[in-house]
Amino acid sequence: QVKLLQSGAELVKPGASVKLSCKTSGFTFSTSYMSWLKQVPGPSIEWIGWIYAGDGGTNYNQKFKGKATLTVDKSSSTAYMDLSSLTSEDAAVYFCARGKVGFAYWGQGTLVTVSS
Amino acid sequence: DVVLTQSPATLSVTPGERISLSCRASESVDTYLHWYQQKPNESPRLLIKYASQSISGIPSRFSGSGSGTDFTLSINGVELEDLSIYYCQQGNSLPFTFGSGTKLEIK
Repeated sequence: QVKLLQSGAELVKPGASVKLSCKTSGFTFSTSYMSWLKQVPGPSIEWIGWIYAGDGGTNYNQKFKGKATLTVDKSSSTAYMDLSSLTSEDAAVYFCARGKVGFAYWGQGTLVTVSS
Repeated sequence: DVVLTQSPATLSVTPGERISLSCRASESVDTYLHWYQQKPNESPRLLIKYASQSISGIPSRFSGSGSGTDFTLSINGVELEDLSIYYCQQGNSLPFTFGSGTKLEIK
Protein backbone atom coordinates (compact mmCIF):
# COMPACT_ATOMS: atom_id res chain seq x y z
CA GLN A 1 0.00 0.00 0.00
CA VAL A 2 0.97 3.66 -0.32
CA LYS A 3 3.40 4.82 2.36
CA LEU A 4 5.08 8.16 2.95
CA LEU A 5 7.67 8.04 5.73
CA GLN A 6 9.06 11.37 6.85
CA SER A 7 12.29 12.06 8.67
CA GLY A 8 12.37 12.72 12.39
CA ALA A 9 11.88 15.86 14.42
CA GLU A 10 14.45 18.63 14.02
CA LEU A 11 15.74 21.20 16.50
CA VAL A 12 17.55 23.93 14.58
CA LYS A 13 19.13 27.24 15.48
CA PRO A 14 17.81 30.52 14.09
CA GLY A 15 19.48 31.31 10.78
CA ALA A 16 20.31 27.68 10.05
CA SER A 17 18.90 25.44 7.33
CA VAL A 18 17.31 22.03 7.51
CA LYS A 19 16.53 19.32 4.97
CA LEU A 20 13.43 17.18 5.46
CA SER A 21 12.88 13.89 3.68
CA CYS A 22 9.85 11.88 2.62
CA LYS A 23 10.53 8.30 1.54
CA THR A 24 7.73 6.78 -0.47
CA SER A 25 6.60 3.31 -1.49
CA GLY A 26 3.57 1.57 -2.94
CA PHE A 27 3.11 3.74 -6.03
CA THR A 28 4.97 4.89 -9.13
CA PHE A 29 7.02 7.75 -7.73
CA SER A 30 8.51 8.83 -11.05
CA THR A 31 5.13 9.86 -12.46
CA SER A 32 3.80 11.46 -9.30
CA TYR A 33 3.43 14.95 -7.94
CA MET A 34 4.63 15.42 -4.38
CA SER A 35 3.48 18.36 -2.33
CA TRP A 36 4.67 19.86 0.92
CA LEU A 37 2.47 21.57 3.49
CA LYS A 38 2.99 23.46 6.73
CA GLN A 39 0.79 23.29 9.79
CA VAL A 40 1.07 25.55 12.79
CA PRO A 41 -1.08 25.41 15.93
CA GLY A 42 -4.16 27.45 15.33
CA PRO A 43 -4.67 25.28 13.55
CA SER A 44 -4.01 26.19 9.98
CA ILE A 45 -2.52 24.44 6.97
CA GLU A 46 -0.55 26.14 4.21
CA TRP A 47 0.44 24.70 0.87
CA ILE A 48 4.16 25.26 0.23
CA GLY A 49 4.45 23.83 -3.27
CA TRP A 50 4.65 20.75 -5.41
CA ILE A 51 7.31 18.97 -7.40
CA TYR A 52 6.77 16.60 -10.31
CA ALA A 53 9.09 13.66 -9.73
CA GLY A 54 9.30 12.90 -13.45
CA ASP A 55 11.26 15.97 -14.42
CA GLY A 56 11.77 17.90 -11.18
CA GLY A 57 9.43 20.66 -12.28
CA THR A 58 8.17 22.73 -9.36
CA ASN A 59 5.45 25.18 -8.43
CA TYR A 60 5.77 27.20 -5.23
CA ASN A 61 3.44 29.26 -3.14
CA GLN A 62 4.89 32.75 -3.58
CA LYS A 63 5.02 33.06 0.20
CA PHE A 64 7.60 30.26 0.39
CA LYS A 65 9.80 31.20 -2.56
CA GLY A 66 13.32 31.64 -1.24
CA LYS A 67 12.39 29.79 1.94
CA ALA A 68 11.67 26.27 0.64
CA THR A 69 13.40 24.27 -2.09
CA LEU A 70 11.85 21.02 -3.27
CA THR A 71 13.87 18.21 -4.82
CA VAL A 72 13.48 14.49 -5.47
CA ASP A 73 15.69 11.43 -5.78
CA LYS A 74 13.95 9.06 -8.17
CA SER A 75 16.41 6.26 -7.43
CA SER A 76 15.19 6.08 -3.83
CA SER A 77 11.63 7.37 -4.40
CA THR A 78 12.29 10.12 -1.90
CA ALA A 79 11.18 13.73 -1.87
CA TYR A 80 13.09 16.43 -0.03
CA MET A 81 12.43 19.94 1.18
CA ASP A 82 15.18 22.35 2.18
CA LEU A 83 14.19 25.18 4.48
CA SER A 84 16.67 28.03 4.73
CA SER A 85 17.37 30.93 7.10
CA LEU A 86 15.03 29.57 9.72
CA THR A 87 13.23 31.87 12.14
CA SER A 88 10.62 31.31 14.81
CA GLU A 89 8.00 31.78 12.08
CA ASP A 90 9.18 28.53 10.50
CA ALA A 91 8.50 26.43 13.58
CA ALA A 92 5.74 24.04 12.53
CA VAL A 93 4.86 20.52 11.52
CA TYR A 94 5.69 19.90 7.87
CA PHE A 95 3.89 17.27 5.85
CA CYS A 96 4.66 15.70 2.52
CA ALA A 97 1.70 14.48 0.52
CA ARG A 98 1.13 12.76 -2.77
CA GLY A 99 -0.85 14.89 -5.17
CA LYS A 100 -0.92 18.15 -7.10
CA VAL A 101 -4.27 19.86 -6.43
CA GLY A 102 -5.64 17.50 -3.76
CA PHE A 103 -3.77 15.30 -1.32
CA ALA A 104 -4.86 11.69 -0.99
CA TYR A 105 -1.88 10.39 0.96
CA TRP A 106 0.11 12.16 3.67
CA GLY A 107 3.28 11.50 5.59
CA GLN A 108 3.19 11.45 9.35
CA GLY A 109 4.67 14.92 9.60
CA THR A 110 8.01 16.31 10.80
CA LEU A 111 8.13 18.74 13.71
CA VAL A 112 10.63 21.55 13.21
CA THR A 113 11.55 23.56 16.29
CA VAL A 114 13.62 26.72 15.94
CA SER A 115 15.52 27.66 19.05
CA SER A 116 18.98 28.76 20.10
CA ASP B 1 -5.41 34.24 -2.70
CA VAL B 2 -8.73 32.42 -2.40
CA VAL B 3 -10.02 32.62 1.15
CA LEU B 4 -12.05 29.69 2.39
CA THR B 5 -14.36 30.46 5.29
CA GLN B 6 -15.59 27.49 7.27
CA SER B 7 -18.55 27.60 9.60
CA PRO B 8 -19.22 27.00 12.33
CA ALA B 9 -15.79 27.08 13.94
CA THR B 10 -16.98 24.55 16.52
CA LEU B 11 -19.98 22.27 16.37
CA SER B 12 -21.31 20.39 19.38
CA VAL B 13 -23.05 17.22 18.31
CA THR B 14 -24.92 14.22 19.66
CA PRO B 15 -23.99 10.80 18.26
CA GLY B 16 -26.47 9.77 15.61
CA GLU B 17 -27.19 13.31 14.43
CA ARG B 18 -27.06 14.35 10.80
CA ILE B 19 -24.87 17.45 10.49
CA SER B 20 -23.65 19.82 7.81
CA LEU B 21 -20.43 21.79 7.72
CA SER B 22 -20.05 24.80 5.46
CA CYS B 23 -17.14 26.05 3.38
CA ARG B 24 -17.48 29.29 1.44
CA ALA B 25 -14.90 30.50 -1.06
CA SER B 26 -14.06 34.16 -1.74
CA GLU B 27 -14.27 33.44 -5.47
CA SER B 28 -15.38 30.51 -7.58
CA VAL B 29 -13.30 27.35 -7.30
CA ASP B 30 -15.59 25.36 -9.61
CA THR B 31 -15.63 21.89 -8.01
CA TYR B 32 -11.94 21.89 -7.09
CA LEU B 33 -12.82 21.62 -3.44
CA HIS B 34 -11.65 18.80 -1.18
CA TRP B 35 -12.52 17.87 2.41
CA TYR B 36 -10.14 16.44 5.03
CA GLN B 37 -10.52 15.05 8.52
CA GLN B 38 -7.74 15.48 11.06
CA LYS B 39 -7.67 13.80 14.44
CA PRO B 40 -5.29 14.99 17.20
CA ASN B 41 -1.65 14.16 16.48
CA GLU B 42 -2.53 12.59 13.13
CA SER B 43 -2.11 13.63 9.53
CA PRO B 44 -5.13 14.91 7.61
CA ARG B 45 -7.14 12.28 5.78
CA LEU B 46 -8.91 12.96 2.49
CA LEU B 47 -12.66 12.41 2.86
CA ILE B 48 -14.23 13.89 -0.26
CA LYS B 49 -12.58 15.06 -3.48
CA TYR B 50 -13.84 17.47 -6.14
CA ALA B 51 -16.72 18.61 -3.95
CA SER B 52 -18.78 15.43 -4.07
CA GLN B 53 -16.68 12.45 -5.13
CA SER B 54 -16.35 9.69 -2.59
CA ILE B 55 -13.03 8.18 -1.55
CA SER B 56 -12.42 4.44 -1.26
CA GLY B 57 -12.36 3.34 2.36
CA ILE B 58 -14.24 6.36 3.69
CA PRO B 59 -17.54 5.51 5.40
CA SER B 60 -20.62 6.23 3.33
CA ARG B 61 -22.06 8.52 6.02
CA PHE B 62 -19.72 11.24 4.69
CA SER B 63 -20.92 13.15 1.62
CA GLY B 64 -20.15 16.43 -0.08
CA SER B 65 -22.02 18.87 -2.27
CA GLY B 66 -21.68 22.26 -3.86
CA SER B 67 -19.90 24.11 -6.62
CA GLY B 68 -18.62 27.60 -7.28
CA THR B 69 -18.36 29.29 -3.90
CA ASP B 70 -20.61 27.31 -1.53
CA PHE B 71 -19.86 23.81 -0.34
CA THR B 72 -21.19 21.45 2.30
CA LEU B 73 -19.81 18.37 4.01
CA SER B 74 -22.54 16.24 5.54
CA ILE B 75 -22.23 13.44 8.05
CA ASN B 76 -25.34 11.27 8.18
CA GLY B 77 -25.32 9.80 11.67
CA VAL B 78 -22.28 11.17 13.53
CA GLU B 79 -20.23 8.60 15.39
CA LEU B 80 -17.83 9.17 18.29
CA GLU B 81 -14.88 8.40 16.03
CA ASP B 82 -15.86 11.39 13.86
CA LEU B 83 -14.81 13.87 16.55
CA SER B 84 -12.08 15.71 14.69
CA ILE B 85 -11.28 18.91 12.87
CA TYR B 86 -12.57 19.13 9.30
CA TYR B 87 -10.85 21.25 6.67
CA CYS B 88 -11.81 22.25 3.18
CA GLN B 89 -9.11 22.96 0.57
CA GLN B 90 -9.32 24.49 -2.88
CA GLY B 91 -7.18 23.28 -5.76
CA ASN B 92 -8.47 25.66 -8.42
CA SER B 93 -6.30 28.75 -8.01
CA LEU B 94 -2.69 29.11 -6.97
CA PRO B 95 -1.72 29.19 -4.20
CA PHE B 96 -3.91 26.35 -3.03
CA THR B 97 -5.50 27.26 0.27
CA PHE B 98 -7.21 25.66 3.24
CA GLY B 99 -10.04 26.80 5.44
CA SER B 100 -9.40 27.30 9.15
CA GLY B 101 -11.38 24.21 10.05
CA THR B 102 -14.51 23.15 11.91
CA LYS B 103 -14.02 21.28 15.15
CA LEU B 104 -16.57 18.61 15.99
CA GLU B 105 -17.08 18.00 19.69
CA ILE B 106 -19.52 16.07 21.85
CA LYS B 107 -22.48 18.03 23.19
